[in-house]
Amino acid sequence: QKEVEQDPGPLSVPEGAIVSLNCTYSNSAFQYFMWYRQYSRKGPELLMYTYSSGNKEDGRFTAQVDKSSKYISLFIRDSQPSDSATYLCALSGGTSYGKLTFGQGTILTVHP
Amino acid sequence: EADIYQTPRYLVIGTGKKITLECSQTMGHDKMYWYQQDPGMELHLIHYSYGVNSTEKGDLSSESTVSRIRTEHFPLTLESARPSHTSQYLCASSELARDWYEQYFGPGTRLTVT
Repeated sequence: QKEVEQDPGPLSVPEGAIVSLNCTYSNSAFQYFMWYRQYSRKGPELLMYTYSSGNKEDGRFTAQVDKSSKYISLFIRDSQPSDSATYLCALSGGTSYGKLTFGQGTILTVHP
Repeated sequence: EADIYQTPRYLVIGTGKKITLECSQTMGHDKMYWYQQDPGMELHLIHYSYGVNSTEKGDLSSESTVSRIRTEHFPLTLESARPSHTSQYLCASSELARDWYEQYFGPGTRLTVT
């Protein structure tokens, strides 16, 4: 069983839609939760970082962590065509502290 | 814009050739990484380094080797390329302590072994 599971999609939404991206994980030692965004032919870049449970908001983006369910989410409000990319969750903690365990990424396309 | 560079961006090479993928960063980061990423699959860590003369194998077994002679440079070498090595290779760096979770990635090298 993979430590981190992420629905690969692809996900296609109209501009202005609310997007929900999700990951589940099995390692209860994970305490650090990140979302990276990867545009086509580019390397990933950090979008959001959360420590432990709770919500974190940054503009149109909200990261949510539910450690009891081992479930993390990224919400994008008022989605724009420029949000079209692959979104990867990344987790760390316990014996993996300092290293990132990535999900396989969800491909998102926002249509004008 | 992250100051981390990878060359070449694309490489098509025959079986049995020796190849070196270059990675350089100008941010003075101590920690550097190599990941392997296949289409639709997660990034797999194959090598990392905490600083000069420090190298460790990652979670995914790889026939490649790395060296870290200078802080800014972390090349990856395959002594004898095989078709199974066909993949995208991503280099990244981060600070050792503060903000360690933010890894800065290069654009990747897409390797095809024929």
